[in-house]
Parts: sequence; structure tokens; C-alpha cells
Amino acid sequence: DTGVSQNPRHKITKRGQNVTFRCDPISEHNRLYWYRQTLGQGPEFLTYFQNEAQLEKSRLLSDRFSAERPKGSFSTLEIQRTEQGDSAMYLCASSRRLAGYNEQFFGPGTRLTVL
Amino acid sequence: AQSVTQLDSQVPVFEEAPVELRCNYSSSVSVYLFWYVQYPNQGLQLLLKYLSGSTLVKGINGFEAEFNKSQTSFHLRKPSVHISDTAEYFCAVSENTGNQFYFGTGTSLTVIP
Repeated sequence: DTGVSQNPRHKITKRGQNVTFRCDPISEHNRLYWYRQTLGQGPEFLTYFQNEAQLEKSRLLSDRFSAERPKGSFSTLEIQRTEQGDSAMYLCASSRRLAGYNEQFFGPGTRLTVL
Repeated sequence: AQSVTQLDSQVPVFEEAPVELRCNYSSSVSVYLFWYVQYPNQGLQLLLKYLSGSTLVKGINGFEAEFNKSQTSFHLRKPSVHISDTAEYFCAVSENTGNQFYFGTGTSLTVIP
């Protein structure tokens, strides 16, 4: 399987705990994106990387959220001191820029439930 | 920032009937337009995209969409739906100078046997 993979697929945690998700993009893709999708809504952009550089962050990405892509390959998204409002599906996508257009390929997502 | 409006949150349709899922966006600049499909507990799969050229674009699974610049719309159509088309459909917009995708709230298509 050469698609985008995400782990874990499901995470249940108690409020106040820290959680970390991992995304492995398609190998030749240099761009990686994180989105959050709450129930009944479309995905909302959180942040994106080009290689290891984090180039853009949404206002949705509060101080409790941090994303890294240390070697320009996989990425991690950490949420500290989780709140019930963090419960959502976290989607990762990757792309490579082709003549000004970047088709994003999505992973299956990590569903977070904060109790 | 862009905004994307999917006018119908739920669309029930009988099997083999035609369907149209509506999408309007707000933009005064050039954009790329996309339709994605999401099956339960899965990520998003690209159905089709409009980058430039012909305003009628064809995608996978028999879907097509028409870009209408004057009406800022990008409606998705299929002439005959199948049970397996039951899923959530998302319209998305990307400015062609940027990297963010802006998604609509989705349309839940239910195909009734």
C-alpha cells in the first residue's frame, strides 16, 4: 500500500491527557497537511509542511497543538491537555507541487474521543 | 478566506435515478475546484477536479461536474446512481496561488434501493 497512512486509527483518552498522532505520507510527496473534521462538518485546515518546514498554521491550531515533521518524511501532531472539544477526526494529506497545482491525497484519519 | 456552500446537507435518491449535488463558492480570484467522497470511517477520495480548460469535467465512478464561473458554482452530477454511491460528498476550493483547501460542510447522499 503506497497511500497515506495514519496511526492510530482510533484514540480514546481522558480530558487533560496528552495524545500524539502519526502520519506517513506518500514517499515522494514533499508537502504534508493536517486537517480536523468534526461531526457533520467538512475538514478544516490546521497546518502544512513543505519538507521539514512548517509554512502555514491556522488560527484553529491553539497553543496546545504542535506539529512536527523532523526529517521531511513522517509527521506527528500532538495535543496537550486534551479537552472534550478536541474530539474529532484528524486527517492527514500529502501532495507534491506540479505546475502550480497540488493534488492532496488523504489518509484514513485518526478519530479522537476525549472523555 | 474562501467559503464553500453545499446547499443540501442530505440527498436521498432512488437507485438508477439521476442526482445533482450543489456547490457554490465565494471567490473573485482564480480557483481550483474539487469534489471528494468519504465513505464511513475512511479518508477522502478525489472524485474529480477542475483546474482550467473545459468547464465540464469527468471523474471516477461515472461522476461529472460543471464549472460555472459567472454563478461561482461547481455542481456534481451522475446520470444513474448505484447503492455503492451512498457516502458523504465534499466540495473543496483552493486558490491557485495558495495551498489551503476550503471544504464545504458536505452532502450526505443516500441511495435507496
